[in-house]
Amino acid sequence: DAGITQSPRHKVTETGTPVTLRCHQTENHRYMYWYRQDPGHGLRLIHYSYGVKDTDKGEVSDGYSVSRSKTEDFLLTLESATSSQTSVYFCAISAVGTSGGETQYFGPGTRLLVL
Amino acid sequence: DQQVKQNSPSLSVQEGRISILNCDYTNSMFDYFLWYKKYPAEGPTFLISISSIKDKNEDGRFTVFLNKSAKHLSLHIVPSQPGDSAVYFCAAITGTASKLTFGTGTRLQVTL
Repeated sequence: DAGITQSPRHKVTETGTPVTLRCHQTENHRYMYWYRQDPGHGLRLIHYSYGVKDTDKGEVSDGYSVSRSKTEDFLLTLESATSSQTSVYFCAISAVGTSGGETQYFGPGTRLLVL
Repeated sequence: DQQVKQNSPSLSVQEGRISILNCDYTNSMFDYFLWYKKYPAEGPTFLISISSIKDKNEDGRFTVFLNKSAKHLSLHIVPSQPGDSAVYFCAAITGTASKLTFGTGTRLQVTL
């Protein structure tokens, strides 16, 4: 447990509505990430942040934006949700693991259904 | 273009036997590899990792082997236990920002 919480844990929304998912961490980690998990694709990186107000795109960033105004919070926004964005969303932080290498630790996930 | 591949979507193993999960990659710039375990409705949990300068790393019942020339890694679980039943993802890191590239996962079922 790396002190990562996600909210909401479940959400149902309609096509075309904006949606914001929140990731909160309590251990002052610099790097934070948003992934989505879909059958047949594993987890794919959407966006990541390397500090307050510093963000960059991942491999599936279209249709998503992020913001990080405080170290502890990383927000993922779907400006206008589409059915293709129905997925499970995971937030992660990067920290040095017990083996000494960089390791990512994941939150519990947010299940989003876009109708 | 799938840079990390797990070609076996599922695997069934008897309790007490060895489970071997395989992963192949195409990007020779990957320099660190990780295995995650995922239960339903939970986030992935870090299991074990290996640097590209090593060919083996062991942690209790879990051992990861890396064959750089073949661009192949494997996770061995000995002995397998029913609680090991989960989806296992391999992942690779390259460069800065520690971005992970994941495989598609292998569902392991350990039967009694």
